[in-house]
Amino acid sequence: DAKTTQPNSMESNEEEPVHLPCNHSTISGTDYIHWYRQLPSQGPEYVIHGLTSNVNNRMASLAIAEDRKSSTLILHRATLRDAAVYYCILSNTGKLIFGQGTTLQVKP
Amino acid sequence: DADVTQTPRNRITKTGKRIMLECSQTKGHDRMYWYRQDPGLGLRLIYYSFDVKDINKGEISDGYSVSRQAQAKFSLSLESAIPNQTALYFCATRSYNEQFFGPGTRLTVL
Repeated sequence: DAKTTQPNSMESNEEEPVHLPCNHSTISGTDYIHWYRQLPSQGPEYVIHGLTSNVNNRMASLAIAEDRKSSTLILHRATLRDAAVYYCILSNTGKLIFGQGTTLQVKP
Repeated sequence: DADVTQTPRNRITKTGKRIMLECSQTKGHDRMYWYRQDPGLGLRLIYYSFDVKDINKGEISDGYSVSRQAQAKFSLSLESAIPNQTALYFCATRSYNEQFFGPGTRLTVL
């Protein structure tokens, strides 16, 4: 599975948008881009996924670059409950290979 | 009620002991997974199962075995526990492109 690169940590203010970047320059044509997050003391939870087009759901939006070598997870209005580790994962087999993710801190 | 449950939630055991971690799901999914997570790191895949008769090794299967007793149950065993197996263990199920994780089992091997 192709590798992803994410910043180790990011900070955001409450009620402001957050853009979490992910680079995946070796992505293959069949790789889906998945985002999961892990809140403190919990198992990971699914956030969103996409292949080529931008995607929106109730939790977030996923913006995928035209060449698919990078993507951005967008939280439109961060809340304190969004403080978590966010994982960007590529997969075309259903197996998820987790990296270290981005630790998002949300300040009140 | 949670869709994916894990028992026990916490366990302390001694080196050399055999231990089993259990996972049950009510989601009706065929695919199930076991991961471990070490402090400050992401999850690593131990074993996965596409159905009752199809079990596969993941990244770090050495020292572990699994049993898929039924569609709803997937157990992870440590035949002879060692201290470096101290970790947080997660079970997950999968439907289409989404995995659903249990709450985790914190295992300490002394």
